[in-house]
This record gives sequence, C-alpha cells and structure tokens, in this order.
Amino acid sequence: AQSVTQLDSHVSVSEGTPVLLRCNYSSSYSPSLFWYVQHPNKGLQLLLKYTSAATLVKGINGFEAEFRKSETSFHLTKPSAHMSDAAEYFCVVRDSGTYKYIFGTGTRLKVLA
Amino acid sequence: TAGITQAPTSQILAAGRSMTLRCTQDMRHNAMYWYRQDLGLGLRLIHYSNTAGTTGKGEVPDGYSVSRANTDDFPLTLASAVPSQTSVYFCASSDLAGVADTQYFGPGTRLTVL
Repeated sequence: AQSVTQLDSHVSVSEGTPVLLRCNYSSSYSPSLFWYVQHPNKGLQLLLKYTSAATLVKGINGFEAEFRKSETSFHLTKPSAHMSDAAEYFCVVRDSGTYKYIFGTGTRLKVLA
Repeated sequence: TAGITQAPTSQILAAGRSMTLRCTQDMRHNAMYWYRQDLGLGLRLIHYSNTAGTTGKGEVPDGYSVSRANTDDFPLTLASAVPSQTSVYFCASSDLAGVADTQYFGPGTRLTVL
C-alpha cells in the first residue's frame, strides 16, 4: 500500500535562509510524486512533480525536490526563503497502478522576518 | 478558463439536513475527486470518478454519495449531515492521460454542521 510521511508538521525559518521540508513515501510500484502549496484560506497549487525523467525536479517560485529511490524520499528545498513562502505544503504520492493520490498530513512553513 | 468551480463557498447546516456540494470543471478532465481537509490530517479522499458514469469509494466515504452524469459535473451529497462532517471540502480533477497527472483543485467549500 502506498503512503506518505511528512516528517515535520511545522517548520520555521528566517527570511533569506534555506528551506527543507521532508517527505518519505512508500509505494509498491513506480510512484509519481508531487508537492502542493496551500496559502491560508486558498486552494491547492502544484509546486512541482516527479515524472521519472529526472531525479532533480524544479518547480515554481524557486522550489525544487530530489527523488531518492534508495531513501524513498522526495524532500522539498529552496535556497532562500521569502515571506510569501509562508503556507502549508503537502507531499503527494500516486502509484502507477491506481488513480488515487495519497496526501501527507502537511507541513506548515513559517517565515520569520 | 475557470478551471474548477465549487459552490457554495461556505455553508452552515443543521444536523440531520441534507446538502449537495457542487463541483464543475471546464478542462474536460476524465477523473474527478472529492477530498475533505481537517486540521492535522491533510486531505482525505471521499469519493472519486475515473470517467463519466463510474464512481469509486475513497478513504472516508461513509455519509457521502456522489454521481457523475457527465464529464464536467461531480456533485457531493450529504444525505443527513452530522457535526463530524464539519470540514473544508475540495473538488479536484485530473486528465489521467499519463502516470504523473497533475490534479487541479477548486477553491473549496467550508461546511459547518451544527
């Protein structure tokens, strides 16, 4: 069965410092992996997705994630946090054998001035 | 394009009453989904539909029903609402043309059951 674990429910960083949001997955088949962002009282927006073409995936707003099969991880990073990055972030996995997307419980990112 | 629209934006509902949350997409996506979002639990799948005329149960289907009469619409019905169904509900769609299909989300419906 597929599952997703987001290792931190809350992360706080200072503006201008790096961001690391951790995600581990479990999948029986070749997974598709996604990161979504949700700003307060808004819907979900796709940040990036892993399509098996390249292990390092670049997304919008300077975010990127690296697929590491041996570690079953898909951590989200950004070199320099901006105040506008404060939001909740969701890691999502989908097995190639199903049509269902499994969401992690989310990581709330706080950016300090 | 509008993408996915949901109605209403928010609703307060008395326990025991019925309600239908509406979802419409204009992207001609074959798959549609309903999720509920609760604090600390992320998004949980209620029901899904891979194509018009078919539906399936997700992780938390009890107390909810759906129909998919056409490609664009995917209403979610609560037959007899209970307070535990207080949540934010998101509708989503995807194309299912390949493995890494992006889900597109509506703006959500905030439902309070008293």
